[in-house]
Amino acid sequence: DAGVIQSPRHEVTEMGQEVTLRCKPISGHNSLFWYRQTMMRGLELLIYFNNNVPIDDSGMPEDRFSAKMPNASFSTLKIQPSEPRDSAVYFCASSFSGTTGELFFGEGSRLTVL
Amino acid sequence: KQEVTQIPAALSVPEGENLVLNCSFTDSAIYNLQWFRQDPGKGLTSLLLIQSSQREQTSGRLNASLDKSSGRSTLYIAASQPGDSATYLCAVYFGGNKLVFGAGTILRVKS
Repeated sequence: DAGVIQSPRHEVTEMGQEVTLRCKPISGHNSLFWYRQTMMRGLELLIYFNNNVPIDDSGMPEDRFSAKMPNASFSTLKIQPSEPRDSAVYFCASSFSGTTGELFFGEGSRLTVL
Repeated sequence: KQEVTQIPAALSVPEGENLVLNCSFTDSAIYNLQWFRQDPGKGLTSLLLIQSSQREQTSGRLNASLDKSSGRSTLYIAASQPGDSATYLCAVYFGGNKLVFGAGTILRVKS
């Protein structure tokens, strides 16, 4: 079975540009999470969807960040405008039953904002 | 504040040694605890998930235990191999839609 699929794997952009990260969760999973990982802050939950509905977006840093899940097999995380401090690895994860179930991560999207 | 702490931060052992990684958490009212492995430049791979009603889980050379009353979990790796070298992360679900991650233990197994 395919795992969680993320694209792009690497993104280098200039400050002020729009960045869109994509995620395809594992088929049949009803929960999707976006995390950000940095050396300084470790793993931080940005937003959590259950059945395509955003349940908890308290981790979204500011209005420059937005996330959508138009259907059960696709989600996007958008940063507009991007800033150098957004440089990090962004992970998408999915599970069958929210945070009570086993969590499966994608390979991540490494974002560098110059 | 609900926190997860992992000790040691880094560990280097010779191949073949049995080892224990530690995870402690501040609130005993947990729903589950999950151990992950992360290789450099890669995502997190789930190793073991322990529900709050369980005391331990085993998978191959890995055994994870859970003691809620003391706020501790251990990951035991038997007969370590160079391929076990990675960062090991402990994550605890306290409720409220959020897994809380520890900072991880960087393991190096020398051949």
